[in-house]
Amino acid sequence: GAVVSQHPSRVICKSGTSVKIECRSLDFQATTMFWYRQFPKQSLMLMATSNEGSKATYEQGVEKDKFLINHASLTLSTLTVTSAHPEDSSFYICSASPGWSNQPQHFGDGTRLSIL
Amino acid sequence: QKEVEQNSGPLSVPEGAIASLNCTYSDRVSQSFFWYRQYSGKSPELIMSIYSNGDKEDGRFTAQLNKASQYVSLLIRDSQPSDSATYLCAVNSPNISSGSARQLTFGSGTQLTVLP
Repeated sequence: GAVVSQHPSRVICKSGTSVKIECRSLDFQATTMFWYRQFPKQSLMLMATSNEGSKATYEQGVEKDKFLINHASLTLSTLTVTSAHPEDSSFYICSASPGWSNQPQHFGDGTRLSIL
Repeated sequence: QKEVEQNSGPLSVPEGAIASLNCTYSDRVSQSFFWYRQYSGKSPELIMSIYSNGDKEDGRFTAQLNKASQYVSLLIRDSQPSDSATYLCAVNSPNISSGSARQLTFGSGTQLTVLP
């Protein structure tokens, strides 16, 4: 149980392109999902918290107009990297938890984004 | 500032040995503690959860929690080369809440190499 699906797994595109990444909870409802970014050899960095039916909460230093988050249903959150540039190339990972309080988060397989 | 600290390693152990991974956390009211394994280029995978003081065993893995010392550890018995990965300690604190699911604070990870 507690499966999180993330799509696509890899994107290679030209600078200036907008890229949408989907995160789905397959066997549970998730009112909250989390989006992380990880550069090579570095730790996970929380970018934003996605809340179903309301605005996302962004971490300090993350541009909300650059990284658009939509959490329109209890099983789907999307992250759109708008007008992507080479410095946005990274490994983007979502996570979700089946319920309240002490439940662990389960991660999607991640999306490797490469901007040429 | 809520912090979770781990030795970054690298930690090398011979095959068949016990690998010991350590983690300390700063928030005394933390309630839930998790160990994730992350292979290079992959997303984190949950391997252990622990919520109360003492030991919790699951196969070759044992998590140990000491809330008084604010210390959590992971022991891997009979280490195998396939255990070579980065191990992330994560802590869930009641004061960091985003909707229904609480945000995790991650350590920077310990890189483990099991030598054949």
